[in-house]
Amino acid sequence: GAVVSQHPSRVICKSGTSVKIECRSLDFQATTMFWYRQFPKQSLMLMATSNEGSKATYEQGVEKDKFLINHASLTLSTLTVTSAHPEDSSFYICSARGAGRGSTDTQYFGPGTRLTVL
Amino acid sequence: DQQVKQNSPSLSVQEGRISILNCDYTNSMFDYFLWYKKYPAEGPTFLISISSIKDKNEDGRFTVFLNKSAKHLSLHIVPSQPGDSAVYFCAASASSDYKLSFGAGTTVTVRA
Repeated sequence: GAVVSQHPSRVICKSGTSVKIECRSLDFQATTMFWYRQFPKQSLMLMATSNEGSKATYEQGVEKDKFLINHASLTLSTLTVTSAHPEDSSFYICSARGAGRGSTDTQYFGPGTRLTVL
Repeated sequence: DQQVKQNSPSLSVQEGRISILNCDYTNSMFDYFLWYKKYPAEGPTFLISISSIKDKNEDGRFTVFLNKSAKHLSLHIVPSQPGDSAVYFCAASASSDYKLSFGAGTTVTVRA
């Protein structure tokens, strides 16, 4: 299947700092990338959808000024958690869909980033 | 509002036997369905998918069945192997926006 990478895999930061997470599609062009969040023992919750070159669309209840998303190219999207607080600690996962691999309806997921805010 | 439901939180099956995972959905706009396998602290791995124009899709040991009238799909794994032990998520999307709605997951344990 298609390969999606995320960096970093794990980050620990102090409260009030900002953290940037990168999501890359390695062997296909991602027309759309998605950002999810997973709390322990729960399912994945969609945070936002980003299309290359346009503004991200956020799900209800997700603060767009808190979670900044940039999709600058067809292979890279970034999520920046601004002024992080302990309640932002979670497992963040990106996914990508696009031409070149499998069905364009299929989302391929990155390995996730564990964020811990002290 | 949970649009995709996996009512069995766990399933235990003996190695070599069949694992059957069930999933129900409520949104009639969903037209693409997927199953993902996930280990703790890792991203979901795509297993198999099915479009609403089909009622069955098979890929090796994995077969997905779709019953549109009942808004129900299932994943069959046969034969089950110890490496299949993981959490399995059912997901659905509509071609209007491609957003995935996930079920709560079913933890499969394959006993040797």
